Amino acid sequence: GAVVSQHPSWVICKSGTSVKIECRSLDFQATTMFWYRQFPKQSLMLMATSNEGSKATYEQGVEKDKFLINHASLTLSTLTVTSAHPEDSSFYICSATRPQGTNTGELFFGEGSRLTVL
Amino acid sequence: AQRVTQPEKLLSVFKGAPVELKCNYSYSGSPELFWYVQYSRQRLQLLLRHISRESIKGFTADLNKGETSFHLKKPFAQEEDSAMYYCALSGKGGYQKVTFGTGTKLQVIP
Repeated sequence: GAVVSQHPSWVICKSGTSVKIECRSLDFQATTMFWYRQFPKQSLMLMATSNEGSKATYEQGVEKDKFLINHASLTLSTLTVTSAHPEDSSFYICSATRPQGTNTGELFFGEGSRLTVL
Repeated sequence: AQRVTQPEKLLSVFKGAPVELKCNYSYSGSPELFWYVQYSRQRLQLLLRHISRESIKGFTADLNKGETSFHLKKPFAQEEDSAMYYCALSGKGGYQKVTFGTGTKLQVIP
């Protein structure tokens, strides 16, 4: 299989604090991971592409200083929402693709993390 | 720019009735098209991709380049098909950006 795990699955924090969400590929090495944000009843919005060992590529309109992404190993990418505010409350989902050579274009998704900022 | 349009937010059909979930796309090159499904309380997972030309759980989807569509069809809906369905598009090869449609909730009425 190709399992991606996210942690935590839900988190509540106070306004102004920072929150870290982890995304792990459990049984394969993911050189590239993607972070999405999903608003209620809306589509998945790609926030950034996370590449192991290099800086993440952010989509237009996504603040890189607000949403810090670190992909330090082939199995772990983290998203840190810095100085969170209520408008950052959302469902954050990570996904990964298999390494080159076995990559079919399929995305493997984590369970998602629901962030609520009070 | 790449764009995926799913015009229906909700589609309700009776069990045994045919299902067609619509998807239209906009892309300047040759895209790869996918359908992802999310069952209640589960994560998103791939249902099928156009290059495989396969039928999964009775669902099929044909890429129509002339109409830029990739509609998902099933001749006889089952209750367990109730879920959110997302059409998605990417460029060919490697780690291409994947764009998702807004999703259609399929509700199969017993």
